Amino acid sequence: QQPVQSPQAVILREGEDAVINCSSSKALYSVHWYRQKHGEAPVFLMILLKGGEQKGHEKISASFNEKKQQSSLYLTASQLSYSGTYFCGTSLSSNTGKLIFGQGTTLQVKP
Amino acid sequence: NAGVTQTPKFQVLKTGQSMTLQCAQDMNHNSMYWYRQDPGMGLRLIYYSASEGTTDKGEVPNGYNVSRLNKREFSLRLESAAPSQTSVYFCASSEGGQAFYGYTFGSGTRLTVV
Repeated sequence: QQPVQSPQAVILREGEDAVINCSSSKALYSVHWYRQKHGEAPVFLMILLKGGEQKGHEKISASFNEKKQQSSLYLTASQLSYSGTYFCGTSLSSNTGKLIFGQGTTLQVKP
Repeated sequence: NAGVTQTPKFQVLKTGQSMTLQCAQDMNHNSMYWYRQDPGMGLRLIYYSASEGTTDKGEVPNGYNVSRLNKREFSLRLESAAPSQTSVYFCASSEGGQAFYGYTFGSGTRLTVV
């Protein structure tokens, strides 16, 4: 079952913060986050595992709430380069590498 | 270091024609995947190969076949193309067939079926 991402789109000014959510109706083992710029391939950002810690580096971080089966991606002090579409990919089991992706959240950062 | 290479980048087919999309990775990854991307629908899994010699269906396998030729190469075949198969196709690979490995994607093939 496809995870649901919210919001569908967000527009920010440089320096503002954003949160993107990814929710599943099923128990998750892992959540992956990817960013795709227009006309390009998705690029891996990070993985969160069941029972694992919040991940992140510098201004992009993520958390995984196992009780809610929800992951959140935090973008702090947004830069123009953060613009793109963000996808979460979810896995229900540790034994498979196949991911089911959400529909995507489009982020536009303006000067 | 090329990563994941897909060919061709663009293709126009007539309804009923067949074609094979090629994908090769040079990272010694064990698992490979084919996704299609349609506006507003995210990425949907067509087929995947957890390891050399194995393939399995994903969410939307109808109308497609795959071949894991060797560890490096994973091809996707459309036997009789239909307009509903107009999409952008992405090949991806991961180090292993478990859920804690991230994907490396190819640059995609934009396919139009008329």
